[in-house]
Amino acid sequence: DAGITQSPRHKVTETGTPVTLRCHQTENHRYMYWYRQDPGHGLRLIHYSYGVKDTDKGEVSDGYSVSRSKTEDFLLTLESATSSQTSVYFCAISEGTRFYNEQFFGPGTRLTVL
Amino acid sequence: SQQGEEDPQALSIQEGENATMNCSYKTSINNLQWYRQNSGRGLVHLILIRSNEREKHSGRLRVTLDTSKKSSSLLITASRAADTASYFCATDASGANSKLTFGKGITLSVRP
Repeated sequence: DAGITQSPRHKVTETGTPVTLRCHQTENHRYMYWYRQDPGHGLRLIHYSYGVKDTDKGEVSDGYSVSRSKTEDFLLTLESATSSQTSVYFCAISEGTRFYNEQFFGPGTRLTVL
Repeated sequence: SQQGEEDPQALSIQEGENATMNCSYKTSINNLQWYRQNSGRGLVHLILIRSNEREKHSGRLRVTLDTSKKSSSLLITASRAADTASYFCATDASGANSKLTFGKGITLSVRP
């Protein structure tokens, strides 16, 4: 987890409220990713970024938005949280070159939407 | 859609035995990677094998890749209780803009 922090680590919120999760890196990696992990589904990509202000959708992007105004920060926002968004959220970073694109993961944020 | 599918879903072995886990995928890849996840933690990268490689070693880990069968295997030799974790394969599909697609994972239990 070195070089990647996520905040908060745990959050309980109510349906309909906005939620923002933060990922911060100190590695100066170009790529940053948000995943959600659910039992039976493994890890699914929500959104990713390939540079400041450059983002794209992943497999399960509905209901989520992201922003990256600085290299080191990648924010995930649930505009109006729903119970189906209860999950563990992981941020990851990568240098993103063709042959060296291992991803390094943060410790995760456990989000519960009541 | 899941690109990598691991097999078996769960594996229980005795300490000292070898553990073999398999991954199959559907489309052409640049590389295939294996990750480990301990309970309550983030994923940790174990090993990467490129599409032009057939076998790779790292400590007690051995990974093979058969692109003709679109499959990979991860072998952990002389397993330890500390190897108890979930293991995921992830594929970097050709032209996928540095996105990885993860399988659902294999739960490995190593009994002391």
